[in-house]
Amino acid sequence: DAGVIQSPRHEVTEMGQEVTLRCKPISGHNSLFWYRQTMMRGLELLIYFNNNVPIDDSGMPEDRFSAKMPNASFSTLKIQPSEPRDSAVYFCASSQVRYNEQFFGPGTRLTVL
Amino acid sequence: GQQLNQSPQSMFIQEGEDVSMNCTSSSIFNTWLWYKQDPGEGPVLLIALYKAGELTSNGRLTAQFGITRKDSFLNISASIPSDVGIYFCAGPGKLIFGQGTTLQVKP
Repeated sequence: DAGVIQSPRHEVTEMGQEVTLRCKPISGHNSLFWYRQTMMRGLELLIYFNNNVPIDDSGMPEDRFSAKMPNASFSTLKIQPSEPRDSAVYFCASSQVRYNEQFFGPGTRLTVL
Repeated sequence: GQQLNQSPQSMFIQEGEDVSMNCTSSSIFNTWLWYKQDPGEGPVLLIALYKAGELTSNGRLTAQFGITRKDSFLNISASIPSDVGIYFCAGPGKLIFGQGTTLQVKP
């Protein structure tokens, strides 16, 4: 069974550009989570979906960030416009039961120049 | 809000030694999770605990759900080089993560 799939694995862009990160959760999982990891702040939950519906986006840093889940097998995290301080590793995770036993993807390493 | 305090922040040990790390919470948890993150990868779930006092093993790893429900412990016996990585504790309620314990093992 394939795990959580994220793309791209690495993204380098210039400040002001739009960035779209993609995630395919594990089939059958009904909760999906987006995290950001930095040295300074560790792992931070940005937003999570339950049955494709955004439940809590209080972790989204600002309006430049948006996330969608159009169906059970796909989600995107978009940053527009991107800034250097957005540089981090972004993880997507999914689970069958809300909160518990989340399975993480390999992450997308974003560098904004 | 809920906070997790994980210690130690880092450990540098000799291969074969046992390792112990712990996590405390400012509030009562009904679930404790332990993850390991290898360099360049996402965290991988090691052990999940659901009951106060529960002691669960996964190979050389043993984790315990503290009786107070505000703490948890992870032990690694007879460490090997592939144990290197960052170990995170996590609790429910948006899956709050501890700061992580970075483990380095000297062959």
